[in-house]
Amino acid sequence: DAKTTQPNSMESNEEEPVHLPCNHSTISGTDYIHWYRQLPSQGPEYVIHGLTSNVNNRMASLAIAEDRKSSTLILHRATLRDAAVYYCILGYGGSQGNLIFGKGTKLSVKP
Amino acid sequence: NAGVTQTPKFQVLKTGQSMTLQCAQDMNHEYMSWYRQDPGMGLRLIHYSVGAGITDQGEVPNGYNVSRSTTEDFPLRLLSAAPSQTSVYFCASGDSFEQYFGPGTRLTVT
Repeated sequence: DAKTTQPNSMESNEEEPVHLPCNHSTISGTDYIHWYRQLPSQGPEYVIHGLTSNVNNRMASLAIAEDRKSSTLILHRATLRDAAVYYCILGYGGSQGNLIFGKGTKLSVKP
Repeated sequence: NAGVTQTPKFQVLKTGQSMTLQCAQDMNHEYMSWYRQDPGMGLRLIHYSVGAGITDQGEVPNGYNVSRSTTEDFPLRLLSAAPSQTSVYFCASGDSFEQYFGPGTRLTVT
């Protein structure tokens, strides 16, 4: 499975945008980029996924580099509830393949 | 929909005991999986299933058995519990590109 590299931790101020980076230089042409987050004492929850084009949903935006070797999860306006560990994962996902989790980025949000 | 449910929420076992962690989903997903999460670590895949009657091993399958007799249920069996199996266990089911996780079972083996 292709590997991802994320910073161990990041800090943000409430109501400011947050850019969470992920490097995946060995990504294959069929790998989707998935983002999940895990709030304290909860199971992971889906955030967003994409293949080549930038993606937006109600939770976040996903910006994918043109060469697909990196991507950035963008939270447009951080809230205290966004404090979580964010995982960047490559693969098919969902019903079509397994998700292999790394250690993720722990995001702290300051009021 | 209840989504993915797991029972029990907490369990303490003695070394050598066996038990079954229950997982059920009501979303008619074919794909289901079990993960374990040790303190300060990411999730590691134990076993997964792509449909009733079909199971396969993940990254860390040793000491665990699974079966999938129905689409809804995917129980995880610990045959002879060891302290190294102390962890939080998450069950998930998948649809298309999204996986849904249960609330977890916190297991302590003494």
